[in-house]
Amino acid sequence: NAGVMQNPRHLVRRRGQEARLRCSPMKGHSHVYWYRQLPEEGLKFMVYLQKENIIDESGMPKERFSAEFPKEGPSILRIQQVVRGDSAAYFCASSQGNSNQPQHFGDGTRLSIL
Amino acid sequence: GDSVTQMEGPVTLSEEAFLTINCTYTATGYPSLFWYVQYPGEGLQLLLKATKADDKGSNKGFEATYRKETTSFHLEKGSVQVSDSAVYFCALSDRDTNAGKSTFGDGTTLTVKP
Repeated sequence: NAGVMQNPRHLVRRRGQEARLRCSPMKGHSHVYWYRQLPEEGLKFMVYLQKENIIDESGMPKERFSAEFPKEGPSILRIQQVVRGDSAAYFCASSQGNSNQPQHFGDGTRLSIL
Repeated sequence: GDSVTQMEGPVTLSEEAFLTINCTYTATGYPSLFWYVQYPGEGLQLLLKATKADDKGSNKGFEATYRKETTSFHLEKGSVQVSDSAVYFCALSDRDTNAGKSTFGDGTTLTVKP
């Protein structure tokens, strides 16, 4: 399967713990995007990364959230000291970075905070 | 900045009914336009796209025409099926701003009843 792979599919954390969400982009894609989706709501853009660079992080909360896309390995979205309000589905998408081409989405990570 | 406004849902139709989901946009440049579909528990999938004015995107019986004069990209299907029940997202990607990043509407939930 050459699609966008996200893991884990489901993640349960207690308040105060750290959550790490991983995303391997589609083969040949060097642009990665993270979105958050709350129940019954739309997609909210969080961050746009290209290999080793953050291009746009205008949707990232100022504290506790960080993202990286290293030269080797998957992109990581990290949430420190999680709170109940962080419970959501987090989607990763990848593209070639050309505006004429669509983004390809993974199936998401469902994060639940106890 | 760029924005996408979608018809509010939810939309409930009977099988074989005609579907229209309205989408209008604002963009600083000349965007490419997309419709994505999200089935329960999954990520978004590209449904169709159009990259220039008067282009018609089509797939699986769905169509949308890029109308520059009215800045619209309405989604239509002549006869919906129960299997079309999903959330539909309109999106744009503006090559004149940040070419790789897309702006999404809030999504419209469609339920088709037998």
